[in-house]
Amino acid sequence: AQTVTQSQPEMSVQEAETVTLSCTYDTSENNYYLFWYKQPPSRQMILVIRQEAYKQQNATENRFSVNFQKAAKSFSLKISDSQLGDTAMYFCAFMKQYTGNQFYFGTGTSLTVIP
Amino acid sequence: ETGVTQSPTHLIKTRGQQVTLRCSSQSGHNTVSWYQQALGQGPQFIFQYYREEENGRGNFPPRFSGLQFPNYSSELNVNALELDDSALYLCASSNGQGINTGELFFGEGSRLTVL
Repeated sequence: AQTVTQSQPEMSVQEAETVTLSCTYDTSENNYYLFWYKQPPSRQMILVIRQEAYKQQNATENRFSVNFQKAAKSFSLKISDSQLGDTAMYFCAFMKQYTGNQFYFGTGTSLTVIP
Repeated sequence: ETGVTQSPTHLIKTRGQQVTLRCSSQSGHNTVSWYQQALGQGPQFIFQYYREEENGRGNFPPRFSGLQFPNYSSELNVNALELDDSALYLCASSNGQGINTGELFFGEGSRLTVL
């Protein structure tokens, strides 16, 4: 079975500062994908960033980057130059390869950006 | 391009009743998956439909059932409602089964309250 753990229920950051959200996972699979999804108060989940496990290079998307440590089964999200619009719940998610859309989500981290 | 739409947005039922939730997938998407998000938790995978067939199921009892229609829209049916079924039900669509870009497009969800 796959499990995803987010140990930070709530975090806050000053606008324009950098924040890192933590995620660990447990799996016996070798081929999988990891994701960070954002859920603003409007409730619609939005993909932030994706990482393929076979890639050693950490994924980046503009102000968002990850630190993927496969051996440690760690997948943290770094948000640089935080903006008020980054305020949301952030979910780390895991997907085995070739299982369609069966995602395993963590319990989420509520991020508040303070002006 | 229209996004994923769900209806109704909110509904209240009593224990023992039945409920049907509806989802229209994003244009061009042929795979729909359903997730249950209890308060303060991450989404949990219920099942997935690809070309009108269920092709993946999470740890949910048979009273959770679904359908996918030729236009790829989908329904989630829950019979014999229990108090613990109170949750936000999310529909997500994607294009292709097992094609692992892994990006899901979510609707805003249907908030079900069981009294």
